[in-house]
Amino acid sequence: DAGVIQSPRHEVTEMGQEVTLRCKPISGHDYLFWYRQTMMRGLELLIYFNNNVPIDDSGMPEDRFSAKMPNASFSTLKIQPSEPRDSAVYFCASSGDSNYGYTFGSGTRLTVV
Amino acid sequence: SQQGEEDPQALSIQEGENATMNCSYKTSINNLQWYRQNSGRGLVHLILIRSNEREKHSGRLRVTLDTSKKSSSLLITASRAADTASYFCATDQGNSGGSNYKLTFGKGTLLTVNP
Repeated sequence: DAGVIQSPRHEVTEMGQEVTLRCKPISGHDYLFWYRQTMMRGLELLIYFNNNVPIDDSGMPEDRFSAKMPNASFSTLKIQPSEPRDSAVYFCASSGDSNYGYTFGSGTRLTVV
Repeated sequence: SQQGEEDPQALSIQEGENATMNCSYKTSINNLQWYRQNSGRGLVHLILIRSNEREKHSGRLRVTLDTSKKSSSLLITASRAADTASYFCATDQGNSGGSNYKLTFGKGTLLTVNP
């Protein structure tokens, strides 16, 4: 398995633009998580899914953020409109068994100018 | 909010020495996990210890858990330059009955191993 795959690796966009981050979890993992990492706030859980259904989105900062998981092999995190304070590294992770922890993707570094 | 708090924030040692990092948390947990993050990369799962376990080993890693003190430690023995990374503890705030799958991470310890 190629692991959790995220795209793009880097994204630079102008304030006000829509940004879409993509994630392909490990096949067979039925949990998917979106985290954001900044120096100031560390790793924050934004939302997670179980069997494609959103379970907890309490970490989503504002209505500008939305996430979907249309099928077991694909998820998106969308920011519309983007703002400079959204600049961060966004990680997707998946898990199939709580005994073995998460597998993280390589992250998307988002810069909003 | 942060559940785990690692200590120290940064640690610099020489190759061959042991490195110890600590983690404190606030609420009851189902398990506690340690992850490593190399600069510019994603996090890699190292080891998981359940709330009913006190110690666990994996290669050069040794993890202890004291639920009465709500603390854990990660020991890396005979460190190597390749161990240079940030190390995070993460807590699963389920209970002894089961995991809730949702991990809360600390801010990490930056370990530098000098050759």
